Formats: sequence, C-alpha cells, structure tokens
Amino acid sequence: DAGVIQSPRHEVTEMGQEVTLRCKPISGHDYLFWYRQTMMRGLELLIYFNNNVPIDDSGMPEDRFSAKMPNASFSTLKIQPSEPRDSAVYFCASSLSSGDGYTFGSGTRLTVV
Amino acid sequence: GEDVEQSLFLSVREGDSSVINCTYTDSSSTYLYWYKQEPGAGLQLLTYIFSNMDMKQDQRLTVLLNKKDKHLSLRIADTQTGDSAIYFCAEATGNQFYFGTGTSLTVIP
Repeated sequence: DAGVIQSPRHEVTEMGQEVTLRCKPISGHDYLFWYRQTMMRGLELLIYFNNNVPIDDSGMPEDRFSAKMPNASFSTLKIQPSEPRDSAVYFCASSLSSGDGYTFGSGTRLTVV
Repeated sequence: GEDVEQSLFLSVREGDSSVINCTYTDSSSTYLYWYKQEPGAGLQLLTYIFSNMDMKQDQRLTVLLNKKDKHLSLRIADTQTGDSAIYFCAEATGNQFYFGTGTSLTVIP
C-alpha cells in the first residue's frame, strides 16, 4: 500500500483565496482524521470521519474551514477565504480502528501571504 | 481534550541511551503510542503499548508504562544521529488520539 497520500505537498496562496487540500486514506481504513500542526499550538485535531461520516468537527477553527469525504477513498479540507494565520502543516491520517494507531500522510505545508 | 505532557527538548551524545517521558491524564486510555517525526515529514508510528502492560521492548526501543502514575517513557538504546527527531506520545480514548507537545531529541556526535 502507498500509505496515506496528501496533495499538494506545498501550497502558497494569497490571503482571501480558496485553498483545497486533498487526502487519500489507506484502502480499507474506515477512520480519517485531519490535523493541523503549528509551532505555537502543536498538533490539533480538526475533524474526523468514520465510514465517510463526520463524527466530530469541534476542532474546526471557524466557518471558513470545511471538510468533506464523498467516498471511502477521498477527503478534502477547504479553507475559504484563507488568512495568514492559517499557515501551518496540515496532516491527514487514517486508521482501521482504535488501537491500530494512525497512519499519517506526509502533510501539506500551507503558506498564506 | 485530555492533557498529554512532554518536555520539549532532550540532548544526548551518540551511543548513550535516551529517555523521553510523557504524562497523561485519562486513566481509561486503552492504548498509548510513540510517534517519530523527522523534519519535513509526517508522524511515523514507532511503537505502542496496551494499557494492561507495563513494558514492551522492540529492538533498541523500550516502552515503560506506570499506569498508577499515568507515566509513559520511551528509552532508545545506543542512540544514533538518525534518531534526531521530534517524538510524540499519544493516548487513545475511544476513537480519538490525544497527542503530547512533542520532545525534540538532538543527538550530538
């Protein structure tokens, strides 16, 4: 298996633009998680899905952030409009069930200027 | 969320043992994990321990769990320069993980 695949690896955008981050989880994993990592706040869970259904989105910072999982092999995290304080590394992770551990993607480094 | 705490930095000399410590608050955690993050990369699962165990050894890695004190440690024997990275502990409660702040390990040649 190729692991959790995220795209793009790097994204630089101007403030106010829409940004879409993509994730392909490991085939057969039924949990998918979106995390944000910054120096100041460490790793923050934004939202997670089980069987394509959002279970907990309490970590989503504000309405500018939205996430979807239209099928078991694809998820998106969208920021509209983007702001400089959204600059961070965004990780997607998937797991088969609790106890197995998460498998993380390589992350998307987002810079909003 | 739950509190998972780690010291931020650790420096060791190459060949010495490293011990990275972690404390957590949720006594109902079922699994506890150690992840490694190298620069520019995602988090890689190193090892995990079930909460009814007190020790797990995997080659150079030894995990110790003191459930009474809610204390987890990761010992790396014969630390190498390639072990330089950030190490995260995490506890699993239900389907959610709670990560610590990460410990940045620097190995001095």
